[in-house]
Amino acid sequence: GAVVSQHPSRVICKSGTSVKIECRSLDFQATTMFWYRQFPKQSLMLMATSNEGSKATYEQGVEKDKFLINHASLTLSTLTVTSAHPEDSSFYICSARDPSAGRNSPLHFGNGTRLTVT
Amino acid sequence: GQQLNQSPQSMFIQEGEDVSMNCTSSSIFNTWLWYKQDPGEGPVLLIALYKAGELTSNGRLTAQFGITRKDSFLNISASIPSDVGIYFCAGPTGNQFYFGTGTSLTVIP
Repeated sequence: GAVVSQHPSRVICKSGTSVKIECRSLDFQATTMFWYRQFPKQSLMLMATSNEGSKATYEQGVEKDKFLINHASLTLSTLTVTSAHPEDSSFYICSARDPSAGRNSPLHFGNGTRLTVT
Repeated sequence: GQQLNQSPQSMFIQEGEDVSMNCTSSSIFNTWLWYKQDPGEGPVLLIALYKAGELTSNGRLTAQFGITRKDSFLNISASIPSDVGIYFCAGPTGNQFYFGTGTSLTVIP
């Protein structure tokens, strides 16, 4: 089945620094990937849609200058949290669909990245 | 973004009992997905539903796509300790997927 790999699984950084999270589709090409954020005991909230070769589409209320998304190839999307602050601490999860599996193919998720900003 | 409402919010059941949870939306969906999330991990797909009225099983799990296209149900039969986790429904709007509020399941051995 479709596999999505995310790295790193955990990261601790100091306030003011930037952190990059990678999301790779391992056995399929993904023109679109999705980035979610999840706070403890809450649901997944869509942050942005990453589009290969073009600008990402951000959900309302998500700062595009703070959460930089780059989708440089058909198998890699990156999310960079810039000038991180403690309130950015969260669980970030990427996902993608295998387009060859059909128009209604489901999302497959990476294992998430636990970001802690001190 | 859209949000799907799930109930119950949490469940505490004895091992061996059956479980039922549902998901409702104010919007119509053409696809319903059910995922399970273990602590510290990404969600894993359990069942995908593509047609109104569809009833699909995956082992002890059974899910149904509501006729109105605004709801879906997930049932787990004969629960076991490894069923513990958070269950999410999800539905697409255009090219994007939105998730339900989640149902936390605890199975007591």
